[in-house]
Amino acid sequence: TQLLEQSPQFLSIQEGENLTVYCNSSSVFSSLQWYRQEPGEGPVLLVTVVTGGEVKKLKRLTFQFGDARKDSSLHITAAQPGDTGLYLCAGSKNTDKLIFGTGTRLQVFP
Amino acid sequence: NAGVTQTPKFRILKIGQSMTLQCAQDMNHNYMYWYRQDPGMGLKLIYYSVGAGITDKGEVPNGYNVSRSTTEDFPLRLELAAPSQTSVYFCASSYSYGYTFGSGTRLTVV
Repeated sequence: TQLLEQSPQFLSIQEGENLTVYCNSSSVFSSLQWYRQEPGEGPVLLVTVVTGGEVKKLKRLTFQFGDARKDSSLHITAAQPGDTGLYLCAGSKNTDKLIFGTGTRLQVFP
Repeated sequence: NAGVTQTPKFRILKIGQSMTLQCAQDMNHNYMYWYRQDPGMGLKLIYYSVGAGITDKGEVPNGYNVSRSTTEDFPLRLELAAPSQTSVYFCASSYSYGYTFGSGTRLTVV
């Protein structure tokens, strides 16, 4: 049973467009992380959110943790080809293991 | 720092063969994990360890074994390889929030 569902599964956009990726669950998480993975590499941590309603910004990326700590979103403003990759959310119910979402594959065309 | 080092990067096994995937980290992290990632999918937890001498099963442990004799090393053993174990395997370590991943081992069982 997949506890974390991401949508959309695939996203192809033109450079300069905005996009939002969603990560949803029926479970409450103590923390939620977002990773980006490029082909042939392991995932790389982008951000960790731990407080319900928390918003964090990383340059053109904005991350939000839902008030009830069951969902999260990643918004990218003015996407660039370098943003291309697989975006993974991952939730933790305690500090010793993460459960990963289904992934969103983003392609940004010049 | 090397971070998390996985070897080998690629391997082809015949059905029924055995092998050990190596993982080493030099960050003195207590927590270590093994995940598998099937094409286009998120990551599924195979086994994890919260410290030397302690291991526990994840979501998909069948067909695998692990050991954790030192803080640095967390090898994953496949005893009787099956085609269903064709996947990319990632090792990760963490201190609290945020995992550091290795670059993966691509395993094909034929």
